[in-house]
Amino acid sequence: GQNIDQPTEMTATEGAIVQINCTYQTSGFNGLFWYQQHAGEAPTFLSYNVLDGLEEKGRFSSFLSRSKGYSYLLLKELQMKDSASYLCAGLDSNYQLIWGAGTKLIIKP
Amino acid sequence: DADVTQTPRNRITKTGKRIMLECSQTKGHDRMYWYRQDPGLGLRLIYYSFDVKDINKGEISDGYSVSRQAQAKFSLSLESAIPNQTALYFCATSVPTDHTGELFFGEGSRLTVL
Repeated sequence: GQNIDQPTEMTATEGAIVQINCTYQTSGFNGLFWYQQHAGEAPTFLSYNVLDGLEEKGRFSSFLSRSKGYSYLLLKELQMKDSASYLCAGLDSNYQLIWGAGTKLIIKP
Repeated sequence: DADVTQTPRNRITKTGKRIMLECSQTKGHDRMYWYRQDPGLGLRLIYYSFDVKDINKGEISDGYSVSRQAQAKFSLSLESAIPNQTALYFCATSVPTDHTGELFFGEGSRLTVL
């Protein structure tokens, strides 16, 4: 079966760095997405990885290892506004998105 | 104004009632989707449409139907609502030529079935 696993909740301190891990099992693979979702709001696109390696976008970076079925989202210089859920989603061979349940990130001052 | 608009934003209804959730978009995207989100679960695809004449079932289509009235409008209906359809529903759009498949979500419709 297809599955996306990510931690349910993480806590970090303002100004610090946090890494949110995601492991995936999909039927075929056409990329890995990260979305951010603030409480009560719609998910918004953060990143897309299809090749191995690190993609950096400002304070956020996303890493992919296809051989390990593993990705992580790295958030640097954490700000209170980064408190949100982070959704990992894999794109399978039929270009269907398989979503993880999300990681709720709590930022403390 | 939001590019993807859902109405209603909140709805409380009773078991057995017919409910329609509407979605309209000004992004000019051909592809539209309906998802539901439940606590502790990932987003699950209900139906999707790649064009006005194209309707496809997602992983959890039972108990739901959709209508793609125009490129900009995609409606989700619950013919006879039941309590386990209580959830947050999202409409989304995407661009077919964008290989990243980035989705643009509406603000969500929170449905409670009593």
